[in-house]
Amino acid sequence: GENVEQHPSTLSVQEGDSAVIKCTYSDSASNYFPWYKQELGKRPQLIIDIRSNVGEKKDQRIAVTLNKTAKHFSLHITETQPEDSAVYFCAASMGGKLIFGQGTELSVKP
Amino acid sequence: KAGVTQTPRYLIKTRGQQVTLSCSPISGHRSVSWYQQTPGQGLQFLFEYFSETQRNKGNFPGRFSGRQFSNSRSEMNVSTLELGDSALYLCASSLIPVNTGELFFGEGSRLTVL
Repeated sequence: GENVEQHPSTLSVQEGDSAVIKCTYSDSASNYFPWYKQELGKRPQLIIDIRSNVGEKKDQRIAVTLNKTAKHFSLHITETQPEDSAVYFCAASMGGKLIFGQGTELSVKP
Repeated sequence: KAGVTQTPRYLIKTRGQQVTLSCSPISGHRSVSWYQQTPGQGLQFLFEYFSETQRNKGNFPGRFSGRQFSNSRSEMNVSTLELGDSALYLCASSLIPVNTGELFFGEGSRLTVL
């Protein structure tokens, strides 16, 4: 079926450390993989996305990598700051839809 | 440019009742999609409307329905409410279909079913 698995569900890091969130998807035809950040009480917002013709994409402290063969993609946040604390959702395009993972609650401790 | 607007923001219903939620997309956006958000379940896709046509539907029972008007505004309806329908319902609009580009979310309608 159409499924995106996201791990871990919670992640706690010290300020300045790196954080990595991993997702696997079920449909080998998926070609669009966005990541959304949802701060407490706010709406989800796109932070970065990658398409299947690219293996890696960076935007300042955020990077996403894609392994099409293994059907997984990851979000990397370097030099984490307290304002990075939020719930992060990965998603993959499947069957004309966008299927989201279950979310990762990231806590960055000062 | 105004963002995505959802009404009402909060509502309380009892089992068996029905509810209608509204979503006004960003001007010019033709796609509106709906998601149910519950703790631990992430964002579960309900359906997408593009130019007044339902483009896709998620794995939800027929009690969940929606429509889109010619001005791209969308409504979703849930009939015969159950306790498990308590959730935050988010809508998102986009210029192009949901599986191809950035979604812009509203703040959500929080439904509590008693």
